[in-house]
Amino acid sequence: GQNIDQPTEMTATEGAIVQINCTYQTSGFNGLFWYQQHAGEAPTFLSYNVLDGLEEKGRFSSFLSRSKGYSYLLLKELQMKDSASYLCAVRDPMDSNYQLIWGAGTKLIIKP
Amino acid sequence: DTAVSQTPKYLVTQMGNDKSIKCEQNLGHDTMYWYKQDSKKFLKIMFSYNNKELIINETVPNRFSPKSPDKAHLNLHINSLELGDSAVYFCASSQEDPRRRGAYNEQFFGPGTRLTVL
Repeated sequence: GQNIDQPTEMTATEGAIVQINCTYQTSGFNGLFWYQQHAGEAPTFLSYNVLDGLEEKGRFSSFLSRSKGYSYLLLKELQMKDSASYLCAVRDPMDSNYQLIWGAGTKLIIKP
Repeated sequence: DTAVSQTPKYLVTQMGNDKSIKCEQNLGHDTMYWYKQDSKKFLKIMFSYNNKELIINETVPNRFSPKSPDKAHLNLHINSLELGDSAVYFCASSQEDPRRRGAYNEQFFGPGTRLTVL
């Protein structure tokens, strides 16, 4: 079957660092996406990993280990505006519907 | 410039009514999607079209019928609305055909339509 697991909710302090984990079990793998979704808004693209390792983009980094079925999103120098849900999605080429498999999202709460 | 737009943003209606949600993208993308996001925030794919061809048709009630008049538009019509249809519906688009192996397939989302069925 296909499954993506993320923590439901995390809390962190402004200025700190937080790591949001995502584990997946899919028949195949052809890329992992992270999206940010503020309350009441649309998801917006943050990062894409298809090879093992770390992709850095400003304050945000995303890591992938295909052998472990594991990714994390690292947010540095947290700002209040980073309070949002973070969605992990995996592209499974074995999926007969060609769709992205979405996690339920991690709600990140930033406290002053 | 709005990349993916949806109308209406809010839709409140009575059970049993029929309603439509419209979506347009000006990104020149070939593929468009409809997602449903329920109160638990889980995104569920409903339909996807590539160049007006239906390529994803998840198990949704046949009260939901998508229509793609051209590759820039994908509308969603819902018949006989039920309480359980209340959710936020997102339209999205991507450049590539997701059936192509190696397709990058970043998806761009519309602002969402919050449907409330009373």
